[in-house]
Amino acid sequence: NAGVTQTPKFRVLKTGQSMTLLCAQDMNHEYMYWYRQDPGMGLRLIHYSVGEGTTAKGEVPDGYNVSRLKKQNFLLGLESAAPSQTSVYFCASTQNMGNQPQHFGDGTRLSIL
Amino acid sequence: DQQVKQNSPSLSVQEGRISILNCDYTNSMFDYFLWYKKYPAEGPTFLISISSIKDKNEDGRFTVFLNKSAKHLSLHIVPSQPGDSAVYFCAANNQGGKLIFGQGTELSVKP
Repeated sequence: NAGVTQTPKFRVLKTGQSMTLLCAQDMNHEYMYWYRQDPGMGLRLIHYSVGEGTTAKGEVPDGYNVSRLKKQNFLLGLESAAPSQTSVYFCASTQNMGNQPQHFGDGTRLSIL
Repeated sequence: DQQVKQNSPSLSVQEGRISILNCDYTNSMFDYFLWYKKYPAEGPTFLISISSIKDKNEDGRFTVFLNKSAKHLSLHIVPSQPGDSAVYFCAANNQGGKLIFGQGTELSVKP
C-alpha cells in the first residue's frame, strides 16, 4: 500500500519553463490537496479537489493550475516558473474533509533558477 | 494574517522529560485541530487530533489540550524519546474542510 506518491522528488527549472507535478493516491480518497512549504511559513494550500473532475483555489493559487481527470491523480502545473515558486510541494488526500486527517506524500523539492 | 501560530521555532528537551509544544489560533470557528509530525525529506504524518467540543485527547505518550477561551492548544509528549526529534505542525480545520497550518516547531530530544 503506497499511500500518496509524488513524482518527481527533485527538479531544477529555469525561469519561464513549465512543468507538471504528479500526485497519485491508492486509498480511493475523494479529496486531494496541493500545498507548498516555505521556511518559517508552514504549509500553505495552493489548490484542492473535492472529487474527480473538480478543482478549487486555496490560499496561494496564483501561478499554478491543477487537474483531476482521474480520482487517483491530482496534477499541479507551473505554466511559467518563477524564482518565487522555489519551494517544497506536498500533496495530500483524505476521504472526509471534516474530521479525517490528511495523508501526505513525501514532497517534491523544486528549485527555480 | 496568520490564523494559526506556533511562536517557538525550536525546542530542546532531555530524553525522558516532558516536551510541551504550543499553538495559538485566532478564529473561534475552527472546529477540529490536528498535530502532524515531520521528519526531514518526508511528508507530514498525522499524530493526534482534538475536536473543539473536547478539552483533552490522549494517545499513548501524546496528549493534546485545548483551551478554547484562550484559543490555545498544546501537545504534551511524556516521556520524550530521541525518535521524537522532528518538526511538529499544528493545524486547524476551518469547517470548510481546509486545514490552516502553523509555522512548525522543531523538537530536539537529547539523549
